[in-house]
Amino acid sequence: DAGVIQSPRHEVTEMGQEVTLRCKPISGHNSLFWYRQTMMRGLELLIYFNNNVPIDDSGMPEDRFSAKMPNASFSTLKIQPSEPRDSAVYFCASSSTGTGGHEQYFGPGTRLTVT
Amino acid sequence: AQKVTQAQTEISVVEKEDVTLDCVYETRDTTYYLFWYKQPPSGELVFLIRRNSFDEQNEISGRYSWNFQKSTSSFNFTITASQVVDSAVYFCALISPVTDSSYKLIFGSGTRLLVRP
Repeated sequence: DAGVIQSPRHEVTEMGQEVTLRCKPISGHNSLFWYRQTMMRGLELLIYFNNNVPIDDSGMPEDRFSAKMPNASFSTLKIQPSEPRDSAVYFCASSSTGTGGHEQYFGPGTRLTVT
Repeated sequence: AQKVTQAQTEISVVEKEDVTLDCVYETRDTTYYLFWYKQPPSGELVFLIRRNSFDEQNEISGRYSWNFQKSTSSFNFTITASQVVDSAVYFCALISPVTDSSYKLIFGSGTRLLVRP
């Protein structure tokens, strides 16, 4: 079975440019999460979707960040304009609340570097 | 408030030693789930185990074992006869309810385990 798929795996961009990260959750999972990982702050939850609806976006750092989930098999995280402090690894994870266990399965991450 | 504490920032052991990674959690919920994840140097996060609050049985999977004790709010992870491939950052996590039907995972800060040959 395919796991969570993220693209691109690496992104290098210049400050001020728009960045779009993509995620395909595991088929059948109804919850999707975007995380950011940095050395200084560890793993931070940015936003969480349940059945394609954003449930908790309190972790989104500022208006430059936006996320969408137009359907059950696709989500995007957009940063516009990007800044050097956005450099991090961004993970997408999915889970099935129906199983009662709620374990999240993570994608391989997108390493973003903003110069 | 929900919180997960992994007090050990980094542990270094020699191969074949046993090592225990500590995890202490705080929650007011009577029903909750605890998890361990492994993040090897390649960077991906790998799910290892889930434990719910009603099941305090210890679990063993090969060289891995987990000790869940509600009385001390701890969910410790032991690796027996450690191997170099066990070198990774290990995260403990707790499910926190957001609404009646939605949850979010609260991660500890992680423990970096280095197993030296």
